[in-house]
Amino acid sequence: DAMVIQNPRYQVTQFGKPVTLSCSQTLNHNVMYWYQQKSSQAPKLLFHYYDKDFNNEADTPDNFQSRRPNTSFCFLDIRSPGLGDAAMYLCATSTGSYNEQFFGPGTRLTVL
Amino acid sequence: GIQVEQSPPDLILQEGANSTLRCNFSDSVNNLQWFHQNPWGQLINLFYIPSGTKQNGRLSATTVATERYSLLYISSSQTTDSGVYFCAVELNTDKLIFGTGTRLQVFP
Repeated sequence: DAMVIQNPRYQVTQFGKPVTLSCSQTLNHNVMYWYQQKSSQAPKLLFHYYDKDFNNEADTPDNFQSRRPNTSFCFLDIRSPGLGDAAMYLCATSTGSYNEQFFGPGTRLTVL
Repeated sequence: GIQVEQSPPDLILQEGANSTLRCNFSDSVNNLQWFHQNPWGQLINLFYIPSGTKQNGRLSATTVATERYSLLYISSSQTTDSGVYFCAVELNTDKLIFGTGTRLQVFP
């Protein structure tokens, strides 16, 4: 089945230690998104790629960066995680504007 | 920016009951989706419904775009329906803006 895959499902890191979260898709969708969801809140968009074009949200901290080496893969890099970055990180894909988005299972990040 | 409000914020039901969840949005939208977030955190697509009515088993949804609201109906609820229900809208970009969510608990 075509799907969105995130690895790892659970990630524990130390304060200030860089961490990378991974997302892959077999849907061959043009657009890939990264959302952050904190406890009891709605998901919040961090950035997205339309093909190779990177679109950063204005309020996304500089600490968060992303790479999309090819259509199938997208990475979220957190350069120096703080305690406030502990959250669920959700990857999603779509074929473009006004089309349905499909989400992966998420990576739950703990910062010690 | 656009406001997306959901009601009720919390809902407790006994198995077998029916319910209606509401999503109000403050501007015209080009896309509206309903999601169920299960206890493990995964967002599961329920409906892609920028306008009109759709049904899928015990669930159905209606969006009245001109009046800026959408409704999700759950009939004969089951314990597996528990979780958080989000509506999300898209304006004129690729971005989804999520509503405030409705937390549903279904007890046997």
